[in-house]
Amino acid sequence: DAGITQSPRHKVTETGTPVTLRCHQTENHRYMYWYRQDPGHGLRLIHYSYGVKDTDKGEVSDGYSVSRSKTEDFLLTLESATSSQTSVYFCAISDDKARNQPQHFGDGTRLSIL
Amino acid sequence: GDSVTQMEGPVTLSEEAFLTINCTYTATGYPSLFWYVQYPGEGLQLLLKATKADDKGSNKGFEATYRKETTSFHLEKGSVQVSDSAVYFCALSVQGAQKLVFGQGTRLTINP
Repeated sequence: DAGITQSPRHKVTETGTPVTLRCHQTENHRYMYWYRQDPGHGLRLIHYSYGVKDTDKGEVSDGYSVSRSKTEDFLLTLESATSSQTSVYFCAISDDKARNQPQHFGDGTRLSIL
Repeated sequence: GDSVTQMEGPVTLSEEAFLTINCTYTATGYPSLFWYVQYPGEGLQLLLKATKADDKGSNKGFEATYRKETTSFHLEKGSVQVSDSAVYFCALSVQGAQKLVFGQGTRLTINP
């Protein structure tokens, strides 16, 4: 298995509070991604990073921000959580040694916003 | 834009039955195609991939052929097992991009 650790694995919090999810990799891969998984929608890309301090938006980026200060860590922040952000969040990584490399996924963080 | 459409689930089969999960795509470039599998409580794992037309990806008895003429990448297995129960996702990556576009997933349950 690819060395990807997501933390926390589960979190329950209240509407309006800030939340930060962490993704840590030991593979030294260039690309890192944050997805959310919701019933009927598959996985949808929130933000991704193509290097330290280089990030870009995905299709569902509103209400989320990210930071990548080191190759191994990619943080996802909900500045003021809303109930619509209740979801399972997955981090993924991929390298750029060849075209169209597959992504490798962490085990997910289940986030509940009450 | 790029999109992936999978057959709706859930799909329930008996052990040793033949499996097909349909996947079709729309892409502006020349995509690579992937099948991922998600077991309960886990992240997605790459099951197989194909990077150009007529390629066949295969793994663990599963197969899928990249059909450019029908823009399809259907997943098949000749004899399913209870351990194949999971959610299956079809995805594409457009050439030159490092992003995946996923279908909505198909939940498969295999009964003994």
